[in-house]
Amino acid sequence: DGGITQSPKYLFRKEGQNVTLSCEQNLNHDAMYWYRQDPGQGLRLIYYSQIVNDFQKGDIAEGYSVSREKKESFPLTVTSAQKNPTAFYLCATALGVAGPYEQYFGPGTRLTVT
Amino acid sequence: GENVEQHPSTLSVQEGDSAVIKCTYSDSASNYFPWYKQELGKRPQLIIDIRSNVGEKKDQRIAVTLNKTAKHFSLHITETQPEDSAVYFCAASTGGGNKLTFGTGTQLKVEL
Repeated sequence: DGGITQSPKYLFRKEGQNVTLSCEQNLNHDAMYWYRQDPGQGLRLIYYSQIVNDFQKGDIAEGYSVSREKKESFPLTVTSAQKNPTAFYLCATALGVAGPYEQYFGPGTRLTVT
Repeated sequence: GENVEQHPSTLSVQEGDSAVIKCTYSDSASNYFPWYKQELGKRPQLIIDIRSNVGEKKDQRIAVTLNKTAKHFSLHITETQPEDSAVYFCAASTGGGNKLTFGTGTQLKVEL
């Protein structure tokens, strides 16, 4: 999991602004995931990607968008349409999707929107 | 879709005692069940996992059991130590997209 970086560690934004969270990996993993973590609710899947230029919605995709232009990168944009964007966001990768394969997590970005 | 329930939400044990965390899942097609440990402010890290063709797996002080008929699986930690204090998450995967559905977590506190 040392091969997954998320930046920044802390992010502060005003309500109504879009914000993009970075996730980069050098593990050569095909699959990448975005989760949101709120206190007492565990991790919930936002989006995932199995291959470059392809991604699918998870359980809570509304108000979020992603892109996968490179294998190493899977940025997440939190749009102004997301009603409660303040949360801890975790990016994860896995070797592939035909697994099951272990998912490795990045260090996370804590987003605060006021 | 898959639904995973986890109990208890908090668990306090004395150092040296055993701790057991239980999860149930809804989708009988689920075939992979990992357990993650998350320390405060840190990333979740895999501590043990089990596949549906296995009933039990052990790794030193940690073990996981799976009952496919009842659709539940459990994490067992023996001889608990203060460094075991953390939040533990169970998860289940049906394999499609390698997606995981997580339980809501158990805050384990090991007291001296």
